[in-house]
Amino acid sequence: EAGVAQSPRYKIIEKRQSVAFWCNPISGHATLYWYQQILGQGPKLLIQFQNNGVVDDSQLPKDRFSAERLKGVDSTLKIQPAKLEDSAVYLCASSPPGGAHYGYTFGSGTRLTVV
Amino acid sequence: AQSVTQPDIHITVSEGASLELRCNYSYGATPYLFWYVQSPGQGLQLLLKYFSGDTLVQGIKGFEAEFKRSQSSFNLRKPSVHWSDAAEYFCAVVSDSGTYKYIFGTGTRLKVLA
Repeated sequence: EAGVAQSPRYKIIEKRQSVAFWCNPISGHATLYWYQQILGQGPKLLIQFQNNGVVDDSQLPKDRFSAERLKGVDSTLKIQPAKLEDSAVYLCASSPPGGAHYGYTFGSGTRLTVV
Repeated sequence: AQSVTQPDIHITVSEGASLELRCNYSYGATPYLFWYVQSPGQGLQLLLKYFSGDTLVQGIKGFEAEFKRSQSSFNLRKPSVHWSDAAEYFCAVVSDSGTYKYIFGTGTRLKVLA
């Protein structure tokens, strides 16, 4: 089975610029998550989708971050404008319907550096 | 609110030595608990999980973990460490918010000496 695909792997931008990340989950996985992992910290959930609906976005900085999951498959996460503190690895994960308690499958992540 | 504490930020062991990584959680009911490993530049890979039954769970790569309710702990162990085990290890608990989001610890970075 193909894993969770993310692109790009790395991105360097200047502060106040915008950036977008893409995620393609495992086929058939209804639930998709975006996590932010700042250096030295554990991953923190930004947003969770169930199919194309948002389940939890309580920790998403909505003034600058947005995410969508059109057609319940691929997802994009956007930051506009970026701040220095947004430098982190952005991880996408997916799980099958009702299967999150069995564990997620994570992508390799996108490492964002804001300078 | 749920929380996960990994008290050791860094651990160094010699190859062939035994390993124990500590994890303490805060959760009202029986938790779903996980250990993930992250190699440099990679995403997180599931090592093992616990949500019911036998409190000693076996995982991949020779790892095991023991759930101890009385101590609110879920420590990860390996009897003999290999150089390829050098990585960062994260303990996680599923939130009781009903959305199945994970609460991660801050991680323990393992260094293996040849």
